[in-house]
Amino acid sequence: DAGVIQSPRHEVTEMGQEVTLRCKPISGHDYLFWYRQTMMRGLELLIYFNNNVPIDDSGMPEDRFSAKMPNASFSTLKIQPSEPRDSAVYFCASSYGLAGTQYFGPGTRLLVL
Amino acid sequence: AQSVTQLGSHVSVSEGALVLLRCNYSSSVPPYLFWYVQYPNQGLQLLLKYTTGATLVKGINGFEAEFKKSETSFHLTKPSAHMSDAAEYFCAVSEGTGFQKLVFGTGTQLLVSP
Repeated sequence: DAGVIQSPRHEVTEMGQEVTLRCKPISGHDYLFWYRQTMMRGLELLIYFNNNVPIDDSGMPEDRFSAKMPNASFSTLKIQPSEPRDSAVYFCASSYGLAGTQYFGPGTRLLVL
Repeated sequence: AQSVTQLGSHVSVSEGALVLLRCNYSSSVPPYLFWYVQYPNQGLQLLLKYTTGATLVKGINGFEAEFKKSETSFHLTKPSAHMSDAAEYFCAVSEGTGFQKLVFGTGTQLLVSP
């Protein structure tokens, strides 16, 4: 299996621009998670889906952030408009079942200038 | 709410020495506990996890951890450090039995010197 795939691996954009991060989970997994990692706040869960349905988005920082999962093999995290404080590494992870191990993708390193 | 405390943001050991990374958790229900490792510019990889049953859990790369309910601890150990163990290590707790929402500690950077 290819594992969790994220794109792009690096993204540099200017403040105010829209940013879209993409994730392809491991085939057969029914849970998908979006995390953000920063020096200040560490690793924090933004949102997670079960069977393509958002279950808990309490970690989404504000309305500028949105996430979708149109099908079992694809998810997006969108930031519009982006701000410098959004600069971080964004990870996608997937798992199978309630007690399944979460497998992480390599992350997208976002820099907002 | 669950929380995790990792003592020491940096731990330095010599190659061949014992590795001990500390993790204490707070949970109102029986927790699931995890250790993940992150190598530079990579995602997190599961080292081991405790769900139920045996309290001493063995993981990959020679690591193990022991769940001690009385101490609310889940410390990670390895008898003999290798240079390739240098990485950042994260302890995590799940909110509720079988629940998928992980709460991570702030991480411990393990440095291994020759």
